[in-house]
Amino acid sequence: QQPVQSPQAVILREGEDAVINCSSSKALYSVHWYRQKHGEAPVFLMILLKGGEQKGHDKISASFNEKKQQSSLYLTASQLSYSGTYFCGTEIGGGGADGLTFGKGTHLIIQP
Amino acid sequence: GAGVSQSPRYKVAKRGQDVALRCDPISGHVSLFWYQQALGQGPEFLTYFQNEAQLDKSGLPSDRFFAERPEGSVSTLKIQRTQQEDSAVYLCASSLRWPNTEAFFGQGTRLTVV
Repeated sequence: QQPVQSPQAVILREGEDAVINCSSSKALYSVHWYRQKHGEAPVFLMILLKGGEQKGHDKISASFNEKKQQSSLYLTASQLSYSGTYFCGTEIGGGGADGLTFGKGTHLIIQP
Repeated sequence: GAGVSQSPRYKVAKRGQDVALRCDPISGHVSLFWYQQALGQGPEFLTYFQNEAQLDKSGLPSDRFFAERPEGSVSTLKIQRTQQEDSAVYLCASSLRWPNTEAFFGQGTRLTVV
């Protein structure tokens, strides 16, 4: 079942913060976050495994609430380079026998 | 190169033609995935290989779609008798080991069926 991402789109000024949410109706084993710019490959941002951990690097971090089957991606002090479409990909099985199920994406536009 | 390489980047096929899309994963990556991405949508899972074994092909939309990875490295996605609804970007991704690690995507092949 496809995870639901919100918001669908967001426009920010450079330096503002953003939160992108991803929720699933099924129990999740892991959540993967990617950013894709138009015409380019999705670029891996981070992976969160079952256990409710929070990860981050630079000004991008994410959390995984295992009980709620939700993950959130936090973009702090956004930069122009953060523009793109953000996808969460979820893995249900954990046994390594299947791929990711992606949400429809969140379009992020950063204006100067 | 160091990344996942896909060829061709663009393919125009006449309806009814067969096409073959190639994926060169990152050297040493055991796991390989194919995804289909329609315009404005997220990637949709097609199939998954671990080495040469196809562990999951549940996402292949019809029996016109066939994927192989005979030597556990390069993979080919073949679409027979292409139809207009097959038009999409086909993405390949590879992972050192799966699950629990990141998967890296190639730039994809944009297939247009006319």
